[in-house]
Amino acid sequence: NAGVTQTPKFRVLKTGQSMTLLCAQDMNHEYMYWYRQDPGMGLRLIHYSVGEGTTAKGEVPDGYNVSRLKKQNFLLGLESAAPSQTSVYFCASSKGGLNTEAFFGQGTRLTVV
Amino acid sequence: AQSVTQLDSHVSVSEGTPVLLRCNYSSSYSPSLFWYVQHPNKGLQLLLKYTSAATLVKGINGFEAEFKKSETSFHLTKPSAHMSDAAEYFCVVRSRLNEGNMLTFGGGTRLMVKP
Repeated sequence: NAGVTQTPKFRVLKTGQSMTLLCAQDMNHEYMYWYRQDPGMGLRLIHYSVGEGTTAKGEVPDGYNVSRLKKQNFLLGLESAAPSQTSVYFCASSKGGLNTEAFFGQGTRLTVV
Repeated sequence: AQSVTQLDSHVSVSEGTPVLLRCNYSSSYSPSLFWYVQHPNKGLQLLLKYTSAATLVKGINGFEAEFKKSETSFHLTKPSAHMSDAAEYFCVVRSRLNEGNMLTFGGGTRLMVKP
């Protein structure tokens, strides 16, 4: 059981380039999330989805877009990368109930130069 | 709005001594609370969770946490630290504020264990 898989694991972008991060989960979870992790700030929610075909903004959505065309996949896009988007990105999924925990991927380390 | 404050950004203990990682939360609704651990260059792993069934929650690797509503705290403890416990720990709150049931993270506490 793979759980939550993120690709790629590492990426270096030049300012202005675009890229897509892929998250896949095999637990049939309804809810999926994208977080970014920066030193001393914990994890901050970028966007989330409560089901196939739905997306919503989180705490820090600017500069990112997402899509959930299939229940198992949640894509995070950067249309024009900026150095401020240098971070570690984590995808998570959960059943969505109040008492359920989230399961996390291994992270994607993105550097924008 | 909900929020989480981890009172120490760094904690250093000697191997074999007790561990205390402090967490205070704020939530307008009855929350669920979680502790996650992140080892270097790894994803996040659930240590334990509080879901209103019992105020003292036992987790993996000998960790436990006590929910104290009057103090709005959910501190993480372990009687005896092991070198393998060195990692970053996150306290997380979840309450039904919106359809996303979003998880809100504290800033993290880095635990260092000295031999």
